Amino acid sequence: GNSVTQMEGPVTLSEEAFLTINCTYTATGYPSLFWYVQYPGEGLQLLLKATKADDKGSNKGFEATYRKETTSFHLEKGSVQVSDSAVYFCALSGRYSSASKIIFGSGTRLSIRP
Amino acid sequence: SQTIHQWPATLVQPVGSPLSLECTVEGTSNPNLYWYRQAAGRGLQLLFYSVGIGQISSEVPQNLSASRPQDRQFILSSKKLLLSDSGFYLCAWRASGAAGELFFGEGSRLTVL
Repeated sequence: GNSVTQMEGPVTLSEEAFLTINCTYTATGYPSLFWYVQYPGEGLQLLLKATKADDKGSNKGFEATYRKETTSFHLEKGSVQVSDSAVYFCALSGRYSSASKIIFGSGTRLSIRP
Repeated sequence: SQTIHQWPATLVQPVGSPLSLECTVEGTSNPNLYWYRQAAGRGLQLLFYSVGIGQISSEVPQNLSASRPQDRQFILSSKKLLLSDSGFYLCAWRASGAAGELFFGEGSRLTVL
């Protein structure tokens, strides 16, 4: 079955540091891939997505590239800010089922020090 | 535009008491609807999903149940809460027949004492 494995946290960085959160997946066919962000006490918000191989999703300075050859969708940001502190979830969705479930990774908590 | 609301936002209940969490979606029709639970410090666990009125699929056996009495209404219930039911419950929707993203509600934090 489909699955998502993401880097365990917590991850603590200083402001302006480079961020990478690793995500790899197992899926049949060609899933869509997502990164969601959850700020404290809130629901999840879509951060970015990619729907086919070599697509790059980007938003708010974050980027992730759909790599079919390595089955990966790593999240990167060149210079993090304190406001980026949150929990980040990698997720995938099968393409062909109308009731396809979105499978989430376990989440990575990111803390940014001023 | 589409919106999703769930309530109550916070709930403290004794063990053995009933539960009802409600979720409604506006601005779309025939959405796929989902209930997830997030235990403290853990990832998201899919509990139920629904592709239409009265159609409920359960992902894990437990003392929770879900119902969809109307197209855009999704309810999570329990007759008798357990301590292990504590967590952050999230309702979500996505367009029917699509493989696009989920849109989440604000979440309901349940503490069972």
